[in-house]
Amino acid sequence: DVKVTQSSRYLVKRTGEKVFLECVQDMDHENMFWYRQDPGLGLRLIYFSYDVKMKEKGDIPEGYSVSREKKERFSLILESASTNQTSMYLCASSLRQGQETQYFGPGTRLLVL
Amino acid sequence: AQKVTQAQTEISVVEKEDVTLDCVYETRDTTYYLFWYKQPPSGELVFLIRRNSFDEQNEISGRYSWNFQKSTSSFNFTITASQVVDSAVYFCALSEASTGTASKLTFGTGTRLQVTL
Repeated sequence: DVKVTQSSRYLVKRTGEKVFLECVQDMDHENMFWYRQDPGLGLRLIYFSYDVKMKEKGDIPEGYSVSREKKERFSLILESASTNQTSMYLCASSLRQGQETQYFGPGTRLLVL
Repeated sequence: AQKVTQAQTEISVVEKEDVTLDCVYETRDTTYYLFWYKQPPSGELVFLIRRNSFDEQNEISGRYSWNFQKSTSSFNFTITASQVVDSAVYFCALSEASTGTASKLTFGTGTRLQVTL
């Protein structure tokens, strides 16, 4: 079974703090993705990575950065958290380039006060 | 640009009823994939099915069935004899053609299904 884990299920941070969200997959997948989910908007892609140290912007990258130093780990960084980044963050991974299925982690609910 | 529309925001049914969740998509690609995911209250998106654009055969898996019609750009999902455990948010998604890196998914806004006793 594919296993994607995220470091926290719930997180509360203050405005201006630097926030790290961690995602780990154990299936040797090349691709990893970060989404945010907001009511009425569905899932929107923030960033994705198709290889170690490689990244591409998604649809809403502003205010975020990512890091992929190891194949199994993909981090989402909020350099200076703002209240409009309060959301559900979902990590996913897929096997290779192409149209392979994405498998998701349990999500992190982030509240920025 | 790709787009996925799930016009039904919320559906409420009584257990044992059949229910169909609608999904309409737009794409210029001739090769693409369509997906359905289930998000129970726990939050994790669970993969249900993937269908490629060249395969219009309907698919049945237990109480779940999918109807893919390219002529109407629809990929509808039917749950037969619904159960309380089917209560969740269901997302339809479309995968764009690969550009050499990872294929990205475009999601609909989801349909919340509530099944009551």
